[in-house]
Amino acid sequence: NAGVTQTPKFQVLKTGQSMTLQCAQDMNHEYMSWYRQDPGMGLRLIHYSVGAGITDQGEVPNGYNVSRSTTEDFPLRLLSAAPSQTSVYFCASSKSGARETQYFGPGTRLLVL
Amino acid sequence: GQQLNQSPQSMFIQEGEDVSMNCTSSSIFNTWLWYKQDPGEGPVLLIALYKAGELTSNGRLTAQFGITRKDSFLNISASIPSDVGIYFCAAHGSGNTGKLIFGQGTTLQVKP
Repeated sequence: NAGVTQTPKFQVLKTGQSMTLQCAQDMNHEYMSWYRQDPGMGLRLIHYSVGAGITDQGEVPNGYNVSRSTTEDFPLRLLSAAPSQTSVYFCASSKSGARETQYFGPGTRLLVL
Repeated sequence: GQQLNQSPQSMFIQEGEDVSMNCTSSSIFNTWLWYKQDPGEGPVLLIALYKAGELTSNGRLTAQFGITRKDSFLNISASIPSDVGIYFCAAHGSGNTGKLIFGQGTTLQVKP
């Protein structure tokens, strides 16, 4: 199993550009989530999904969209990038819920100029 | 909203020393989790606590779920250089859906 994979590893965007951060897992996990990590603030939940076709907002959803068309994939879209979205983004998955062991991907470092 | 206050923010200790860090909240939670993040990688679960008062060990690590359900601590005994990293507490309310809340993290550095 590859576990949770994220692409790209690093990305530089200009303000106003859009992009999609990819996340995939091969463990047949129902629960997937996106976090952003900023210095001194821990990890903050952006969006999460409890299964294909179901998504919900986390703590900091503004400026981000998600969809879950398959169990394996959970892409995160930035519609119009802003410097405040400069961060490290982590995708995570667990078998069926938030209180179980979540397996994190290696992260995507995003710089918005 | 719900918040976890994790302390200390950072620690610089000598190899062999014991380490203690804790997490508190004004809200009640039903699950407390401790994760470790190595540089350049995603967090990895160390210990999960599901019952108030529960004390659980994983090797040199021991964690407790506070009896009030508003706090948790993590102890590391006899630290070694590979303990270096950021330690996060995380907590969750009821059920198995919804949101996992993370603390701000404790950065641990160990001097050989």
